[in-house]
Amino acid sequence: EPEVTQTPSHQVTQMGQEVILRCVPISNHLYFYWYRQILGQKVEFLVSFYNNEISEKSEIFDDQFSVERPDGSNFTLKIRSTKLEDSAMYFCARVTVGGYTFGSGTRLTVV
Amino acid sequence: AQTVTQSQPEMSVQEAETVTLSCTYDTSESDYYLFWYKQPPSRQMILVIRQEAYKQQNATENRFSVNFQKAAKSFSLKISDSQLGDAAMYFCAYFYTGTASKLTFGTGTRLQVTL
Repeated sequence: EPEVTQTPSHQVTQMGQEVILRCVPISNHLYFYWYRQILGQKVEFLVSFYNNEISEKSEIFDDQFSVERPDGSNFTLKIRSTKLEDSAMYFCARVTVGGYTFGSGTRLTVV
Repeated sequence: AQTVTQSQPEMSVQEAETVTLSCTYDTSESDYYLFWYKQPPSRQMILVIRQEAYKQQNATENRFSVNFQKAAKSFSLKISDSQLGDAAMYFCAYFYTGTASKLTFGTGTRLQVTL
């Protein structure tokens, strides 16, 4: 079982709607990351989050996206005004000693 | 910028045989990790094996081993005694150990395992 749980596992949303993807790590870590994987393509970095602030973001992570850690445990990725091309798997991840652990992923389908 | 290249989009191996997946990378850093991740049809990302750049000894995890050639910037994965459950996408990834660094992935190799 992954050490990082993501909810929902699958979300279908209409184009133009807002979605919030959630990540719940079991242990307390300072560094968190979001990645995206469009079907059939490689995994792409979106954003890293350190001590409740964005530390790095990719060119994909534009004003449509935002991240928060609203209650000190959950870690959310918000996508505003979704587009068809936002359909993808979204993974959160954390750095552990000697490696990276990925969450179970959320499959987002925009229709 | 770091790049990771997997030149084999697809590979096939017979059950019980051995297969090697290739990966090369480019970096100017000296302290980093390299990983192989397996992604089955469920699309979960599963860590297969990791290699610290400062270690000369190649990492092994049961049937999985790597051939890490730091000077050549090569990091191949060998799967011995292949099993049907090994069929998946395999991604090579690079991680610089600097603060809050991101993973850089290759494009993946789809491994088929045949009877």
